[in-house]
Amino acid sequence: DQQVKQNSPSLSVQEGRISILNCDYTNSMFDYFLWYKKYPAEGPTFLISISSIKDKNEDGRFTVFLNKSAKHLSLHIVPSQPGDSAVYFCAASRRTGGGADGLTFGKGTHLIIQP
Amino acid sequence: GAGVSQSPRYKVAKRGQDVALRCDPISGHVSLFWYQQALGQGPEFLTYFQNEAQLDKSGLPSDRFFAERPEGSVSTLKIQRTQQEDSAVYLCASSLALGGTETQYFGPGTRLLVL
Repeated sequence: DQQVKQNSPSLSVQEGRISILNCDYTNSMFDYFLWYKKYPAEGPTFLISISSIKDKNEDGRFTVFLNKSAKHLSLHIVPSQPGDSAVYFCAASRRTGGGADGLTFGKGTHLIIQP
Repeated sequence: GAGVSQSPRYKVAKRGQDVALRCDPISGHVSLFWYQQALGQGPEFLTYFQNEAQLDKSGLPSDRFFAERPEGSVSTLKIQRTQQEDSAVYLCASSLALGGTETQYFGPGTRLLVL
């Protein structure tokens, strides 16, 4: 049973346009969410995170939106650039309770930026 | 560099062989995580260390998998009697503070192929 779901295996976006990557989760105990970017033969690189007490976090071209009632988050990239072509992973964890939880990842979405 | 390093980057093993994978976390990082990433999947949590203490090993798939971090720095993931289903990328991540409260930084991974 997948607790973090990325239902789009791939997404193609034209350079300069907005890229929107979606993620759904089922475990209501998750209270911290992260997006990682991965290039081939490299480890995941942290992009941006959001705590469940917020509904939006912005960092430069990247914005993450969280809808707790829908258990849904999305990553917006504006404007999209060729270097953004990579696999994007959504991840979730439980920060409260002092637990030592590893991250729970989705399967990833391969973003392709078309010139 | 100052990032997480892993060695070897690639390992080919014959079925039944024992392997040892090494992780050097970022200096001063208290927490260390191991993940397994199968082809086309997101990383899956294996085990977690806080300094030298292994606080969570719930993700280890069988008793053939063993991890240690004896001095609270370098960690080794050992797989005994490797099987074909162990073929995956093994990722190590470290974070500055406790458990899931801080961003995890990943190494490049070790790609294990069991023949």
